[in-house]
Amino acid sequence: DTAVSQTPKYLVTQMGNDKSIKCEQNLGHDTMYWYKQDSKKFLKIMFSYNNKELIINETVPNRFSPKSPDKAHLNLHINSLELGDSAVYFCASSLRHAGGTEAFFGQGTRLTVV
Amino acid sequence: DQQVKQNSPSLSVQEGRISILNCDYTNSMFDYFLWYKKYPAEGPTFLISISSIKDKNEDGRFTVFLNKSAKHLSLHIVPSQPGDSAVYFCAASLGASGTYKYIFGTGTRLKVLA
Repeated sequence: DTAVSQTPKYLVTQMGNDKSIKCEQNLGHDTMYWYKQDSKKFLKIMFSYNNKELIINETVPNRFSPKSPDKAHLNLHINSLELGDSAVYFCASSLRHAGGTEAFFGQGTRLTVV
Repeated sequence: DQQVKQNSPSLSVQEGRISILNCDYTNSMFDYFLWYKKYPAEGPTFLISISSIKDKNEDGRFTVFLNKSAKHLSLHIVPSQPGDSAVYFCAASLGASGTYKYIFGTGTRLKVLA
């Protein structure tokens, strides 16, 4: 039974389209994250939610809008996709929002914008 | 500004020998350091962590050493096994209560040769 699952695993779409990536965790964690791994392999935090509230928005363009309908879900909607949005997006969760707390990651969604 | 650096993109080690993965950081305010392991097409999985007030933490074959004066940490794997072949990410946590985030290095690809 997958702890953090995200769908789809692969997403190929054209520039200008709007797409969503879904994430669900069944660990009962309070905190969820979205990370982006770009072509240079940097894994950078985009958003952090704690108990459905936005905690961190790491200067991400407002074309990216996270939505947390409940503690177990954090979806990522992207408007007007650009070539530079091509990357692997990882959802993660942790028990609480504190230093040293391990995060559990989903398998990633490889987004390719053509 | 890359606050967490893993300067060796790859490392090859013979099975049974020691693997040493290195990580340097620039921000003295980091309070925890974590190591994650990543297999292809999977999300990173937590391996081991260390608080900034400690200098060593051990868990089975894995030991993390922290040298605060040098702003350097290392992960030792003894003995190395073929199943350890993966990309290893160093991460550091930063932030006041409620705003923690992890900053990741770019990873080191470890190959353990049978």
